[in-house]
Amino acid sequence: AQSVTQLDSQVPVFEEAPVELRCNYSSSVSVYLFWYVQYPNQGLQLLLKYLSGSTLVKGINGFEAEFNKSQTSFHLRKPSVHISDTAEYFCAVSPVKAAGNKLTFGGGTRVLVKP
Amino acid sequence: DTGVSQDPRHKITKRGQNVTFRCDPISEHNRLYWYRQTLGQGPEFLTYFQNEAQLEKSRLLSDRFSAERPKGSFSTLEIQRTEQGDSAMYLCASSSSLGTDYGYTFGSGTRLTVV
Repeated sequence: AQSVTQLDSQVPVFEEAPVELRCNYSSSVSVYLFWYVQYPNQGLQLLLKYLSGSTLVKGINGFEAEFNKSQTSFHLRKPSVHISDTAEYFCAVSPVKAAGNKLTFGGGTRVLVKP
Repeated sequence: DTGVSQDPRHKITKRGQNVTFRCDPISEHNRLYWYRQTLGQGPEFLTYFQNEAQLEKSRLLSDRFSAERPKGSFSTLEIQRTEQGDSAMYLCASSSSLGTDYGYTFGSGTRLTVV
């Protein structure tokens, strides 16, 4: 079984400042890693994913994340946020060798960008 | 293709009533997933289909819940004898088992309120 912990439930940040959202996971098997964003009353949109290869992954809207296997972490960063980045962000994992690509999500981090 | 569609967007029902939700996946996707998201939490896996076969069900899916995907196209999720604890956002997602991008597309969800 897998579990995902997002260490911050809320992150307030000023516009144009950098932001980092922390994600740690636990799994007895190798996993793929994902970050999703959810705007109010909407479904989830994929920001980026790590499947293999370079541990630094770039996604949409200027986000990037770094996979650290030894620390079982996959932290999300953006160097300069916009008001439109106000949303909830979810880290998720999926076992590599398992049928169905079932996702296990963390509890989410709510980002509030202030002008 | 307009993505994953869910209907209705909102549903208010009295405790004890039955409700049914519909999901129309992306047409070329053969996998379809249902997740449940309660307020302030990340989505939790409920069940998934590959074509018309229901391949996995979570322990969260009590006997009051049933899902179908006739002919491998749209899917329905029915909740019988609703309880207040069933109040949540029900998210549908689809993906393809072909290829290796492991990308899900989520719908906008159906928000259920049981009063």
